[in-house]
Amino acid sequence: GAVVSQHPSRVICKSGTSVKIECRSLDFQATTMFWYRQFPKQSLMLMATSNEGSKATYEQGVEKDKFLINHASLTLSTLTVTSAHPEDSSFYICSARDATRRNNYGYTFGSGTRLTVV
Amino acid sequence: GENVGLHLPTLSVQEGDNSIINCAYSNSASDYFIWYKQESGKGPQFIIDIRSNMDKRQGQRVTVLLNKTVKHLSLQIAATQPGDSAVYFCAENIKDTGNQFYFGTGTSLTVIP
Repeated sequence: GAVVSQHPSRVICKSGTSVKIECRSLDFQATTMFWYRQFPKQSLMLMATSNEGSKATYEQGVEKDKFLINHASLTLSTLTVTSAHPEDSSFYICSARDATRRNNYGYTFGSGTRLTVV
Repeated sequence: GENVGLHLPTLSVQEGDNSIINCAYSNSASDYFIWYKQESGKGPQFIIDIRSNMDKRQGQRVTVLLNKTVKHLSLQIAATQPGDSAVYFCAENIKDTGNQFYFGTGTSLTVIP
């Protein structure tokens, strides 16, 4: 089945630094990838949609200059949290869409990245 | 986003009983829904999906019911097991807006052995 690998699974960084999170589709080409964030005991909030080779589409209220998304290939999307602050601490989850799969609209989720900014 | 600052409702059931988890959506243009299961510290896992041209779909031990009139979705889990303990989310795709999904509030299910 389709597998999405997300790395790192956990990261702790100092306030003011930047952190890059990778999302890879391991056995399929992902035409579209999505980034979510999730606070404790809350739902997943869609941050942005990225399509390979084009700019990401950000949801309302998400700062695109702070959350840089790059989808340079059909198997890799990265989310960079720039100048991270403690309020950016959250669980970040990506999902990738395999356009060849009919079931589940082709979506597979990564295992998430726990970001803690100190 | 659709959900900000909301905390998860909880549901506790005895092992072997049936569970019913509910989800309300607000956009009448939503035409595709997925139920996900999320265990602690992990990403969501697909359970079952349903399109708006259906009102019921069954899987293994799970059934999803869709009532478009009242914009309500439910997930029924038969003979609930301890391994079913997790947070359950419904997610909706809004027709003609792209391939993105928006997640509902979620329900934390605890199965009591």
